[in-house]
Amino acid sequence: GEQVEQRPPHLSVREGDSAFITCTYTDPNSYYFFWYKQEPGASLQLLMKVFSSTEINEGQGFTVLLNKKDKRLSLNLTAAHPGDSAAYFCAVRRNNYAQGLTFGLGTRVSVFP
Amino acid sequence: GPKVLQIPSHQIIDMGQMVTLNCDPVSNHLYFYWYKQILGQQMEFLVNFYNGKVMEKSKLFKDQFSVERPDGSYFTLKIQPTALEDSAVYFCASSLNRINQAPLFGEGTRLSVL
Repeated sequence: GEQVEQRPPHLSVREGDSAFITCTYTDPNSYYFFWYKQEPGASLQLLMKVFSSTEINEGQGFTVLLNKKDKRLSLNLTAAHPGDSAAYFCAVRRNNYAQGLTFGLGTRVSVFP
Repeated sequence: GPKVLQIPSHQIIDMGQMVTLNCDPVSNHLYFYWYKQILGQQMEFLVNFYNGKVMEKSKLFKDQFSVERPDGSYFTLKIQPTALEDSAVYFCASSLNRINQAPLFGEGTRLSVL
């Protein structure tokens, strides 16, 4: 089945710097990709969903890159601030018939002044 | 905004007992999910439920597990009997459609089996 590897497991960045998280997946038929943010004690909040036809997606304070050739999905938090301190998870849905998402292990980001 | 609510947030039970985890999904959502996360490990898909039926389940969804949503009320995950390895955080999620909408997750129920 699908395997998703997420790196790094922990990331400590200074306020104003960028934080870069990468997920690699194995199934070339994967079509839908998601990034979630989870603050301590809270539920997963969707940051962005990406479909396979889109390579670069920009959100508020972050950019998501999809490289289908290398089977890599990336999240770049630009100009990190303390509110970005949380765990971030990538998730992949294989195809139209798969119901469940396959998650990465998560990256715990800490932003310090 | 809309929320998925999970009750209770923490449950402690003795091994061999039955436990029911409750989820109140977003009211107009049609697809319901349970995920399991053992501390420090990946969140893993258990089951998807739609129109009163299990659509897909993973190998983690053991015979001791069952799901239902009687009369459109809570979407429940029942484990009977529980085992020590069932200790984990269980996340419920719901979505309006299956294909391109990201599931909305609840805050999880921490289950401790002693």
